[in-house]
Order: sequence, then structure tokens, then C-alpha cells
Amino acid sequence: AQSVTQPDARVTVSEGASLQLRCKYSSSVTPYLFWYVQYPRQGLQLLLKYYSGDPVVQGVNGFEAEFSKSNSSFHLRKASVHWSDSAVYFCAVSMKAGGYKVVFGSGTRLLVSP
Amino acid sequence: GGIITQTPKFLIGQEGQKLTLKCQQNFNHDTMYWYRQDSGKGLRLIYYSITENDLQKGDLSEGYDASREKKSSFSLTVTSAQKNEMAVFLCASSNPAGGNQAPLFGEGTRLSVL
Repeated sequence: AQSVTQPDARVTVSEGASLQLRCKYSSSVTPYLFWYVQYPRQGLQLLLKYYSGDPVVQGVNGFEAEFSKSNSSFHLRKASVHWSDSAVYFCAVSMKAGGYKVVFGSGTRLLVSP
Repeated sequence: GGIITQTPKFLIGQEGQKLTLKCQQNFNHDTMYWYRQDSGKGLRLIYYSITENDLQKGDLSEGYDASREKKSSFSLTVTSAQKNEMAVFLCASSNPAGGNQAPLFGEGTRLSVL
């Protein structure tokens, strides 16, 4: 069965600094991978997704993620964060063999300090 | 564009009460999901449905029933509300057959049990 680990519960970065949020997955085959963002009292918004091909995928608002099969990872990055990026970020995984069941990590709360 | 509508937005129940949450989507998506999110925590899958009249249990299905009588709707029933229970229930849908494996989310139903 697939699973997702986000090892950092909280990350604090200064505005303008670069960002990396970590995600490790466990799956018998290469899964579909997603990053979502959740702002306070809202649902989840899709940032980006990886299905196959180029391991670096671009998303909205300057976010990108890199898939690594050898490391079973799908880390999220941003070159320069803005205070409005403060939110909770979730990594998720899905597999066709599982009927496209989607499993989420526990989330990373990002705080961007001025 | 489409939308996922969850009703009600807020639900206050009594201990032991049976409570029903509803979700409608107009994306014409095949797959729908129900997740539970406790305060400051990640998402746990309760039920998902690959197509109309299909039901698949998630990791948290005990204490819940679900129903998918139409492609566009997916309802969730809390069979016996627990005292002081507070959580947000998130509905999502996706279209894997159409190449859209990433679920899109509604705004959530916030449950409080007195």
C-alpha cells in the first residue's frame, strides 16, 4: 500500500529566501504525485502534479517539485517566498492499482517571516 | 468551470445522533472521496467511490456509511456522533479515466458535537 511522509511538521523561512518542503513516498511502482496548499479555513488547492516524464514539474505561483525515483521523493521548492505563501502544504500519492485511492501526508505548516 | 459543493457548511449535532453530509460535483468526474481533517492534522480517507454505486473503504471507515447513488453526488453519514467531536470533512473528486488523477476539493463541512 502506498504511504507518504512529510518529515517536517513546521518550517519557518524569511521572506525572499528559498524554500524546500520534503516529501517521501512508499510505493511498489511509480505513483502519481501531488502537492496541495491549504489556507486557513479553506479546502485544498492543487499546486502541481507529476505523472511521468520530466522529473521537474512546474506549478502555480512559482512552485516546482522534483521527482526522484532513487530517493522515493517528491520535494517542493520555491526560489523566493512571499509572506502570502504562509499556509499548510500537503504531499499526496495515488496509484492506478489502488483504484486511484489518494493518500495524504500529515502536512507541513510554512510560516514566512518578514 | 466546475465546482464541488458541500452541504451544510456547518453542522452541529448531539452525541449519538446520525448525521449526513452531502457533496455535489459538476465536473462529471467518476471518482469521489471523503476525507476527515482534525484540527492541525492531515487528511484521513474515510470512503471513496470509483463510479456510481461503487464504494471503497478508506483507513477511517469505521463509524461512517457512504452512498453514491448518482455520479454527481456522494454522501457521508456519521452513524453515531461522538461527544466533543470536532472535525472538518472534505469532499473531493477526480477523473482518472480522463487523465485527471488529482482530486479537486470542496470547501468542507465543519462538524461540532455537543
